Amino acid sequence: AQKITQTQPGMFVQEKEAVTLDCTYDTSDPSYGLFWYKQPSSGEMIFLIYQGSYDQQNATEGRYSLNFQKARKSANLVISASQLGDSAMYFCAMREVGKGGATNKLIFGTGTLLAVQP
Amino acid sequence: SQTIHQWPATLVQPVGSPLSLECTVEGTSNPNLYWYRQAAGRGLQLLFYSVGIGQISSEVPQNLSASRPQDRQFILSSKKLLLSDSGFYLCAGTGLAGASSYNEQFFGPGTRLTVL
Repeated sequence: AQKITQTQPGMFVQEKEAVTLDCTYDTSDPSYGLFWYKQPSSGEMIFLIYQGSYDQQNATEGRYSLNFQKARKSANLVISASQLGDSAMYFCAMREVGKGGATNKLIFGTGTLLAVQP
Repeated sequence: SQTIHQWPATLVQPVGSPLSLECTVEGTSNPNLYWYRQAAGRGLQLLFYSVGIGQISSEVPQNLSASRPQDRQFILSSKKLLLSDSGFYLCAGTGLAGASSYNEQFFGPGTRLTVL
């Protein structure tokens, strides 16, 4: 069965420093996608970054980069130059391919609460 | 840009009352649509997904049902709410206008439901 694991319930980081949020996954499907979402206290889910299993390079989006290590089945999110507004819950997710075709269902990890300190 | 709408934003309902949460999508055709529930301090659990009008797949047995009467409308319902139905309900879709790829799953703003 497909599974996403986030082992860090909470993280602290100083403003302007970089932080890595861990995510490991388990799947027997050779084709999959990995996502990171940010959920501030307002509750909205904000898409941050996507990595496909066949992508040759690690995904980057501004201050966000995904450290994709396929052999280790890890997809850690790196946030560079942390800002106070980065304080939020962060979820790693994996796209699940259903029987009969792609349904694009996502399974989510339990999340990491990031607190950026001034 | 926000292309998924949900209402209401918050809802307080007594146990045993009915429920209807609506999600609408704009600017695209034939999206895949999803209902998730998030309990307080927890991750998201997929409840239902739909790949087209009238096509609903249920992920977990529960007190809720879903319907897709129109291409861009996805409704979450219950005939009689339970205390355990409290949570934050999020509608999401793929294949939406403004997405960087079909892989990107956009979320609506959510409905916070409290059952008393």
